[in-house]
Amino acid sequence: NAGVIQTPRHKVTGKGQEATLWCEPISGHSAVFWYRQTIVQGLEFLTYFRNQAPIDDSGMPKERFSAQMPNQSHSTLKIQSTQPQDSAVYLCASSLEGLGGYEQYFGPGTRLTVL
Amino acid sequence: GEQVEQRPPHLSVREGDSAFIICTYTDSATAYFYWYKQEPGAGLQLLMSVFSNVDRKEEQGLTVLLNKKDKRLSLNLTAAHPGDSAVYFCAVNTNKVVFGTGTRLQVLP
Repeated sequence: NAGVIQTPRHKVTGKGQEATLWCEPISGHSAVFWYRQTIVQGLEFLTYFRNQAPIDDSGMPKERFSAQMPNQSHSTLKIQSTQPQDSAVYLCASSLEGLGGYEQYFGPGTRLTVL
Repeated sequence: GEQVEQRPPHLSVREGDSAFIICTYTDSATAYFYWYKQEPGAGLQLLMSVFSNVDRKEEQGLTVLLNKKDKRLSLNLTAAHPGDSAVYFCAVNTNKVVFGTGTRLQVLP
């Protein structure tokens, strides 16, 4: 079991460019979560899919951020027109089912730096 | 919504000593509780999960206590060693997982 895979591990973009982050959940897990981690804000929930359907995107900034899960083996987080304040570690987690007590297993994260 | 406070933010102990971290939460309906460990450059590693029907759980040198009356969750690392140096997060799950602010633990040889 390879665990949750996130690519790339590091990404540097210029202000205004687009960034796409990839997550491959643990095989057999039906739920995928995205979080953002910064020193100032800590761990923030962004969005959550179950069986590829978006369930809760209440943490997603309304502009420039979007997430998709086109199939059960990967999810993407896209940030358009990146800004320096988007610099953070973006963490993906998967769980066997959705919320309700199922443990979330995290990937190593993608460190995004916007210059 | 749920609020989680974690303390201390920094903790330094000698090898072999215990390290104690505490979280308090606000939603009495919270049913699931977790402790995670994060090493530099890595994601969060699940240490232990506890459901609300459990008051105490011990695994591999870790003891988790849950006081539902006081809405308090704690983690005790007994006999800490340098490899335990990391940031530790509590997390609680009602209809969303909310994380504590983290405790940076340093275990000195």
